[in-house]
Amino acid sequence: DVKVTQSSRYLVKRTGEKVFLECVQDMDHENMFWYRQDPGLGLRLIYFSYDVKMKEKGDIPEGYSVSREKKERFSLILESASTNQTSMYLCASSPWGGGGAAKNIQYFGAGTRLSVL
Amino acid sequence: KQEVTQIPAALSVPEGENLVLNCSFTDSAIYNLQWFRQDPGKGLTSLLLIQSSQREQTSGRLNASLDKSSGRSTLYIAASQPGDSATYLCAPVGATSGTYKYIFGTGTRLKVLA
Repeated sequence: DVKVTQSSRYLVKRTGEKVFLECVQDMDHENMFWYRQDPGLGLRLIYFSYDVKMKEKGDIPEGYSVSREKKERFSLILESASTNQTSMYLCASSPWGGGGAAKNIQYFGAGTRLSVL
Repeated sequence: KQEVTQIPAALSVPEGENLVLNCSFTDSAIYNLQWFRQDPGKGLTSLLLIQSSQREQTSGRLNASLDKSSGRSTLYIAASQPGDSATYLCAPVGATSGTYKYIFGTGTRLKVLA
């Protein structure tokens, strides 16, 4: 079974803190994704990565950065946390889709609920 | 820009009913569409993936259909059970920079009453 592990289920941070959210997958997937989920807005893509050290902005990258130094690990960084970044953060991974669209199933972690006070 | 709408936003049914969840999307140039289930406070679990060349996909009591040209997908749940209570999300898949990209609907929150 594919496993996507997010390091924390719940985090409480203060405004202005630097926050790291970690995600690890064990299936050698090329692609990894960070989303945030808010009531009424659904899941929105923050950043994704299709290879080590590669990253691309999603729909809402402002206030976030990412790091992918190893294939299995994708980190989301809030440089200076703000209250409007209080949200549920979901990490996902998928294999490279070059073998056909059927292989691009995304597998999700359990989520990190972040509260910024 | 792809926009995804799911109707109804919430649904409450008695156990045993058959039900249909609807998903519509504005850009029909998709590679496939995936249905997910999300339990409260948890991540997403993949239920079904329909490729753009398929019309239907079945798994147990679940059946998903896709009409790409009209921008619609439905998830049919047969003989619903209380354990089916969850939020159901659809996500049509396009491609950006060679990476498949999902756009999610806001979901249908289902409650099945015992």
